[in-house]
Amino acid sequence: KAGVTQTPRYLIKTRGQQVTLSCSPISGHRSVSWYQQTPGQGLQFLFEYFSETQRNKGNFPGRFSGRQFSNSRSEMNVSTLELGDSALYLCASSPLGGYGYTFGSGTRLTVV
Amino acid sequence: DQQVKQNSPSLSVQEGRISILNCDYTNSMFDYFLWYKKYPAEGPTFLISISSIKDKNEDGRFTVFLNKSAKHLSLHIVPSQPGDSAVYFCAASEETSYDKVIFGPGTSLSVIP
Repeated sequence: KAGVTQTPRYLIKTRGQQVTLSCSPISGHRSVSWYQQTPGQGLQFLFEYFSETQRNKGNFPGRFSGRQFSNSRSEMNVSTLELGDSALYLCASSPLGGYGYTFGSGTRLTVV
Repeated sequence: DQQVKQNSPSLSVQEGRISILNCDYTNSMFDYFLWYKKYPAEGPTFLISISSIKDKNEDGRFTVFLNKSAKHLSLHIVPSQPGDSAVYFCAASEETSYDKVIFGPGTSLSVIP
């Protein structure tokens, strides 16, 4: 079966712009989590959605937002981009949340 | 404040020897621990997990040990193979919030042929 698909794979944006990243979970998975990976911080939890509702949120500013659609696909939006937002953004899906996550390959965002 | 710590950013091991990756955590409410492995340009993949009711879990060449009193866990890989070269993430979650998994910063393992 198809894995978790993240688009685009690479993105270059300018400071102050906004960006939207997309994640298509494994068919049947209803939980989608987003993580930011940077060299020094490792994987940091952004938020988790289940059945179109945000269930958990990490310690990121309000510029980071997300949503989930009825087909479980999820989008993450970052507004007013800063240089420090440059990172690999990973999406993971699981049937109900918690364990059994499958990760996508990520979207590499570079802010210049 | 990192709740899950992996204090060794990198580790080099000879092929055939044992690799030991360490992880410490601060939240005493964590009761489920996972290890993920990540190759470059790929997302992390689940490797092995352990619940707090156990102190050891084994899966082939991979064994995870949990010391709850020390808030410490370790992943042992025996014997190490070049294909094991990757970044290993330790992760943890607590009973009341299983859908929020906290990851450590990762340890990059290089297995030298």
